[in-house]
Amino acid sequence: AQSVTQPDIHITVSEGASLELRCNYSYGATPYLFWYVQSPGQGLQLLLKYFSGDTLVQGIKGFEAEFKRSQSSFNLRKPSVHWSDAAEYFCAVGAPSGTYKYIFGTGTRLKVLA
Amino acid sequence: EAGVTQFPSHSVIEKGQTVTLRCDPISGHDNLYWYRRVMGKEIKFLLHFVKESKQDESGMPNNRFLAERTGGTYSTLKVQPAELEDSGVYFCASSRLSWGEQYFGPGTRLTVT
Repeated sequence: AQSVTQPDIHITVSEGASLELRCNYSYGATPYLFWYVQSPGQGLQLLLKYFSGDTLVQGIKGFEAEFKRSQSSFNLRKPSVHWSDAAEYFCAVGAPSGTYKYIFGTGTRLKVLA
Repeated sequence: EAGVTQFPSHSVIEKGQTVTLRCDPISGHDNLYWYRRVMGKEIKFLLHFVKESKQDESGMPNNRFLAERTGGTYSTLKVQPAELEDSGVYFCASSRLSWGEQYFGPGTRLTVT
């Protein structure tokens, strides 16, 4: 069955520290991959996406993610976290054909210490 | 360009009542999706419209849920009668292409008491 796993429900980091949020997926083929962020009171905002090509993807707000086919992973990274990055982060997979629905992970809530 | 909008932002109803949620997609986006997040769980797909046609409604939980998209513009999701387990946040998303990235609205928080 298709699934997305975000093993960390909560993560706390200090402002200025580096961040890595993990995402693993189970899918029949190479899916399209996404990271979304939801800040308090806001909707889901797309941080970055991977369709094909270069496996290191740059996104908005200084985030990047690396697709590793051998590990079925698409981890999100940021070298230096800002207090405004406190939010909930969702990894999602989508199909390039057939059904176009996204399958989401359960989310990782990030807390940033001043 | 205006984003996806949803109305209301929050709705509190009693069990057995009816609620209608509305979603206005980004102009020109033929694809419209509904998702739901029950507290503590993942965001789950409900259904997908292409223009006014239901492309995939495999995620609709039961026949108490009715989605429409008359004229291929805005969409409504009606829950009738509402049950306690229907509480959650209902997200709408739209995309220009079926396989393209989906843009999400702020969600409607539904509380059934």
